[in-house]
Amino acid sequence: DVKVTQSSRYLVKRTGEKVFLECVQDMDHENMFWYRQDPGLGLRLIYFSYDVKMKEKGDIPEGYSVSREKKERFSLILESASTNQTSMYLCASSTRQGLREKLFFGSGTQLSVL
Amino acid sequence: GDSVTQMEGPVTLSEEAFLTINCTYTATGYPSLFWYVQYPGEGLQLLLKATKADDKGSNKGFEATYRKETTSFHLEKGSVQVSDSAVYFCALKSGANSKLTFGKGITLSVRP
Repeated sequence: DVKVTQSSRYLVKRTGEKVFLECVQDMDHENMFWYRQDPGLGLRLIYFSYDVKMKEKGDIPEGYSVSREKKERFSLILESASTNQTSMYLCASSTRQGLREKLFFGSGTQLSVL
Repeated sequence: GDSVTQMEGPVTLSEEAFLTINCTYTATGYPSLFWYVQYPGEGLQLLLKATKADDKGSNKGFEATYRKETTSFHLEKGSVQVSDSAVYFCALKSGANSKLTFGKGITLSVRP
């Protein structure tokens, strides 16, 4: 089975801290994604990557950056955490299948910024 | 741009009740349509999909039919179980290189 592993299930940080969320997938997938999930807003795409060292902005990239130095690992970085970044963060990966593309998700990281 | 609209929730049903969750979409071209499910404490997982008009996706007793004329992909199940309690997301992909567009999700609670 494909496994997408997020490093932390719960994280509590203070305003202004630099925060790293790590995601690792074990199926050699080309594509990796970071979403945030908020009640009433559903899933919103922050950043995605189609290959090593490649990154593309999603719908809400402001306040975030990403890093993909190795194919299996995709990191989300909050340079200076703010309270409005309190959210559930979901990582996903997929292989290139065009219209049949299926995403595999991690279990999520619930981040609280105080 | 692409968009997915799901009915407002939450939905609460008794076990063995019939379930319908509405989903309509706006997209360019001929998108693929998906339902993802998120069980408590877990990430999303693909429930079913349909890649062309009139296709029916099915899995775990759930079904959805791709209706191009009404731009809809409603999710149905004849008899829900407590274990079906989850958040359900409708999604579409409108091109080979496009990203998935998700609806807002709807929470289903099934009581014994």
